[in-house]
Formats: sequence, C-alpha cells, structure tokens
Amino acid sequence: KNQVEQSPQSLIILEGKNCTLQCNYTVSPFSNLRWYKQDTGRGPVSLTIMTFSENTKSNGRYTATLDADTKQSSLHITASQLSDSASYICVVSARAAGNKLTFGGGTRVLVKP
Amino acid sequence: DSGVTQTPKHLITATGQRVTLRCSPRSGDLSVYWYQQSLDQGLQFLIQYYNGEERAKGNILERFSAQQFPDLHSELNLSSLELGDSALYFCASSTHPTGTGASEQYFGPGTRLTVT
Repeated sequence: KNQVEQSPQSLIILEGKNCTLQCNYTVSPFSNLRWYKQDTGRGPVSLTIMTFSENTKSNGRYTATLDADTKQSSLHITASQLSDSASYICVVSARAAGNKLTFGGGTRVLVKP
Repeated sequence: DSGVTQTPKHLITATGQRVTLRCSPRSGDLSVYWYQQSLDQGLQFLIQYYNGEERAKGNILERFSAQQFPDLHSELNLSSLELGDSALYFCASSTHPTGTGASEQYFGPGTRLTVT
C-alpha cells in the first residue's frame, strides 16, 4: 500500500532559526516527490518537485532533499520567518496513469517571534 | 493567485441535502482534480478528469459525483449530505496531458462546506 509518513507532526521554532522536516514514503513505482506549503484554510502551494534523478532542490529559503534509495526526503527551512508558519505537506506520485498522488499528513510549523 | 477559481467560497447546508461545487482550471490546463480535507486531516484525493474524461478515482463516496464540461470547468456534486462531509474541498489543475511525470498541480482557494 502506498503511504507517506511525515515527522514531526508539529513543531515550534523561534524566528530566525532553522528547522528540518522529514518525509518517508513507500510509494512505488516512484515518479516524483513534492513539498507543498499550506496556510490555514487556503489551498496548498508548491515549493519543490523532485524526480528520481534529483537529490536536492532549493526554492529561496526552502531546500528539499531526496534519497530515492532509502525513500526519504527532507525539507529544510533556513532563517525562519513568521510567514513560514503553515503546514508543510509531502506528496509522492506513483508512475501510473492519472498522476495519482499520495499525501502525507503534514507537519504543522509555528514560528514564534 | 494560482489561477484556479472555485465557487462558492463557503456553503452551509443541512443533512440530506445536495450541493454542487464549481471549479474553473487555469487557462490551458486540461486536467482537474478534486480533494477533500476534513478538519485537521490531510488531503484526500477524490477524482481526476482530463479533457472531459474521468482519469483516476480515489476515495470518492458513491454519494459524490463529478464531471468536466467541454469548457473544462468541473463540478463536484455531493448528495445525501452527512455531518461528516463537512470539510474543505479543493480543486487543482495541471497541464500535463497524461498526468504522469512532474506535472505541477495548482490548487484553488477551496470551498468550505458545513453540514448542520
């Protein structure tokens, strides 16, 4: 069964600090992995998409890594800002018709001043 | 702004009723996806359409149905509503014709459905 597990479920960090979110998946055959940011009550917004051959991708202060061998990904937030407070969702796509995505439960990040 | 529009923004209705949620994809996108997100839950994929045809089905209840029209907008119909159907319903669209590969999905702002 295709599954995506994220950890931690939630975390609180101080403004300006760094943090790393984890994502483990069992989706097969693997096509790509995405990280989304979702503000409360709003639609998710894509941060990065990585395919099998990519092991790191950055989008501003967000850097995602992918280890396809261990089926793990991480999202690193550098120099956090108050606006980084959101849920971060790891989504994995299987190489099958329909681009069906398996969503992780998300990590809720709260940045405090 | 993702370019995906959803109406209405909010909907309050009673149990047993039927509602229709509407989605307009980004200009040029042929694929439309519907997702449900219950309170404090993750996103659940419901169904996907590509150019008017059903492409993939997820955890969609039999009481729910959807369609994509020739102008590519999509509607999600929810009937015999139950309290547990209260949730945010998101629509997303993408350009990639086959739905595989690293095709970006752009999400709309969602429709918040409250069933009382």
